[in-house]
Amino acid sequence: DAGVIQSPRHEVTEMGQEVTLRCKPISGHNSLFWYRQTMMRGLELLIYFNNNVPIDDSGMPEDRFSAKMPNASFSTLKIQPSEPRDSAVYFCASSSPGRYIQYFGAGTRLSVL
Amino acid sequence: AQSVTQLGSHVSVSEGALVLLRCNYSSSVPPYLFWYVQYPNQGLQLLLKYTSAATLVKGINGFEAEFKKSETSFHLTKPSAHMSDAAEYFCAVSETGGYNKLIFGAGTRLAVHP
Repeated sequence: DAGVIQSPRHEVTEMGQEVTLRCKPISGHNSLFWYRQTMMRGLELLIYFNNNVPIDDSGMPEDRFSAKMPNASFSTLKIQPSEPRDSAVYFCASSSPGRYIQYFGAGTRLSVL
Repeated sequence: AQSVTQLGSHVSVSEGALVLLRCNYSSSVPPYLFWYVQYPNQGLQLLLKYTSAATLVKGINGFEAEFKKSETSFHLTKPSAHMSDAAEYFCAVSETGGYNKLIFGAGTRLAVHP
């Protein structure tokens, strides 16, 4: 299996622009998680889905952030408009039914100038 | 709610020395416990997991961890550190309520010097 695939690996954008991060979970996994990692705040859970349905988005920092999972093999995290404080590494992880092991993608490093 | 405390945000050891990374959890029910490792510019990788089978769990790269219910601890150890062990290590506990959610500790950065 190819593992969790995230794209792009690096994104540099200017403040005010829309940013879309993409994630393809491992086939057969039904839970998907979006995390953000910064030096100051560490690893933060933003939102997670189960069977394509958002379960808890309490970690989403503000309304500028939104996430969707239109089908079992694809999810997006969108930031509109982006701000310099959104600069971070964003990880996607997935897990299979009944198992707590999460498999992480390689992450997207976002820099907002 | 579950929580995880990792004592020491930075640990430094000499190559060949014992590695001990500490993790304490709070849980009202027997949890599943995990250690993940993150190498520079990579995602988190599972190192080992405790799922109530054996209290001493062996993982990859010579690491092991012991579940101690009385101490609510799940410390990670390795008898002899290697330069390639330099990374950040995260302890995690399963959240009750399903959905495979994990609660992660703040992480411990391990440095290994010659």
